[in-house]
Amino acid sequence: AQSVTQPDIHITVSEGASLELRCNYSYGATPYLFWYVQSPGQGLQLLLKYFSGDTLVQGIKGFEAEFKRSQSSFNLRKPSVHWSDAAEYFCAVGGNNQGGKLIFGQGTELSVKP
Amino acid sequence: ETGVTQSPTHLIKTRGQQVTLRCSSQSGHNTVSWYQQALGQGPQFIFQYYREEENGRGNFPPRFSGLQFPNYSSELNVNALELDDSALYLCASSLQGGSNYGYTFGSGTRLTVV
Repeated sequence: AQSVTQPDIHITVSEGASLELRCNYSYGATPYLFWYVQSPGQGLQLLLKYFSGDTLVQGIKGFEAEFKRSQSSFNLRKPSVHWSDAAEYFCAVGGNNQGGKLIFGQGTELSVKP
Repeated sequence: ETGVTQSPTHLIKTRGQQVTLRCSSQSGHNTVSWYQQALGQGPQFIFQYYREEENGRGNFPPRFSGLQFPNYSSELNVNALELDDSALYLCASSLQGGSNYGYTFGSGTRLTVV
């Protein structure tokens, strides 16, 4: 079955601290992996994506993610969190011949303490 | 370059009614996907349209239908509304039908069914 699991529903970090959001996927074909961010009442903004090649990908706003095939993981990281990073984060997986379907995780809500 | 625009932003309907949501794709994009995001959940794929044809469909009943027009804009129609249809409906456009081209999401239409 195709699925995405984000084990942490809610995470709170202090401003300036490092961040890692976990994502595990189950997918039968070569996965294309994405991280999106959503502010309250808004649509989704793409942070980064992995299709192939270097397993460490850089995204916008200082985010990066590492693809680990052996662990079926695609964790999102940021070395120093800013208060403006507080939002909902979604991991998603898709494939080349899936009619455009992206499978999303349930999301991780990030709160940032001053 | 214009992004993805959706209308209306908010909508309240009565159970049993019909609703039409609209989406204008990003300039140069010929593919539109629709997602339903219930409160506290990740988006779920409804269907995708590529060059005016349905290119893939998720696990949604036939009362969810769509159209894509020659200018690549799209409509999502939902008949016989149910209370559980209350959600944020997101439209995403891309250059081609596969996930590897990436998606640009709109800000969504918040539908409330009472």
